[in-house]
Amino acid sequence: DIVLTQSPDSLAVSLGERATINCKSSQTVLYSSNNKNYLAWYQLKPGQPPKLLIYWASTRESGVPDRFSGSGSGTDFTLTISSLQAEDVAVYYCHHYYNIPYTFGQGTKLEIK
Amino acid sequence: QVQLQESGPGLVKPSETLSLTCTVSGDSISNYYWSWIRQPPGKGLEWIAYLSYSGSTNYNPSLKSRVTISLDTSKKQVSLKVNSVTTADTAVYYCGRSSTGFEFDSWGQGTLVSVSS
Repeated sequence: DIVLTQSPDSLAVSLGERATINCKSSQTVLYSSNNKNYLAWYQLKPGQPPKLLIYWASTRESGVPDRFSGSGSGTDFTLTISSLQAEDVAVYYCHHYYNIPYTFGQGTKLEIK
Repeated sequence: QVQLQESGPGLVKPSETLSLTCTVSGDSISNYYWSWIRQPPGKGLEWIAYLSYSGSTNYNPSLKSRVTISLDTSKKQVSLKVNSVTTADTAVYYCGRSSTGFEFDSWGQGTLVSVSS
């Protein structure tokens, strides 16, 4: 199974500042045949359905604010929130869909400093 | 806008079968891929299984021998059965939809299932 390791486990950032979450894969999730990275990012808030933010590593889901961006390729990926808002407090997970079984990172808890 | 609503028994005894249902509203159940994902208390997310609208399935090998995913298009429901449950199956169970068979673009709010005698 592909293991996704996120860092840090928790993060406190001031409002308006940048937040960066990393996701490292135990093997590549880049398919050479189509040059796509099979990786997504989700936001989980208590009492709400999980929300897809980013797919194919860097494509923003419709309706997601443009302060959220994804980058990286192969085994190393980053979710960046350019200017943290209060409503961004949540747990963030990376997820690969390169092969079966799909797996998720352990999650990164984002708080306001 | 599609809405997914999971429902389940809340409490199941060890060794029994857990049955969960995801009811879809606001969109068709066809032409999508449907998954179940769970989150044990204090832990991360675990993908369980997916089912395409054409009927093909894929299961997490760690659970494959105990789980079955199915679709009832007339009721617009996706179901999951987990046999021989143990306390390790205690989790919030989510239903997820994918338009591509890969990322989950819509999720339900989840239903908590506890396994206890």
